[in-house]
Amino acid sequence: DQQVKQNSPSLSVQEGRISILNCDYTNSMFDYFLWYKKYPAEGPTFLISISSIKDKNEDGRFTVFLNKSAKHLSLHIVPSQPGDSAVYFCAASAGYGGSQGNLIFGKGTKLSVKP
Amino acid sequence: DSGVTQTPKHLITATGQRVTLRCSPRSGDLSVYWYQQSLDQGLQFLIHYYNGEERAKGNILERFSAQQFPDLHSELNLSSLELGDSALYFCASSVEGQGFGDEQFFGPGTRLTVL
Repeated sequence: DQQVKQNSPSLSVQEGRISILNCDYTNSMFDYFLWYKKYPAEGPTFLISISSIKDKNEDGRFTVFLNKSAKHLSLHIVPSQPGDSAVYFCAASAGYGGSQGNLIFGKGTKLSVKP
Repeated sequence: DSGVTQTPKHLITATGQRVTLRCSPRSGDLSVYWYQQSLDQGLQFLIHYYNGEERAKGNILERFSAQQFPDLHSELNLSSLELGDSALYFCASSVEGQGFGDEQFFGPGTRLTVL
């Protein structure tokens, strides 16, 4: 059973508009969430993270929102740029506090930003 | 460049064979993680080593094993290879392996093809 789900395999947006990527999780023990971006033929690159004690974390054009009651997080990219076109993976960990730091990944959403 | 190196980049072998994938973590990182990405799948956590000791195991087959050496590099050994083992294998490293605030940095991956 998938503990981290990204239900949209792909998303297409216009340059300059907002991109919203969604992620749902089932394990209530998760307390740390991350987004990774992956270009073809490269490894995933860390983008932004949020701990369960927060509901929002912002870094430049990227904002992650966490709704613990709904077990849902989203990544907002504003404004979207063609260079943002990549596969975005949502990941979760129950690693805070001394347990394993291994990440559970969703299957990814392929974002295409059109000029 | 994440600072994590993986060799080889590509590996083509036959069923029943054994291969070794190598990973060098970022300088100063004590934790090494191995992930497998099969076609249309997200990254699946295999195993985590911290400072030479196994810390956590995920969906790792008994035919697979790993170790982390005193110089902190790690090797993933895959034996009795099957067609279904064809995948991208990523190594990641982090400073502590505690999850929160300890982001994992990924290498470029090794693409294994079993014929």
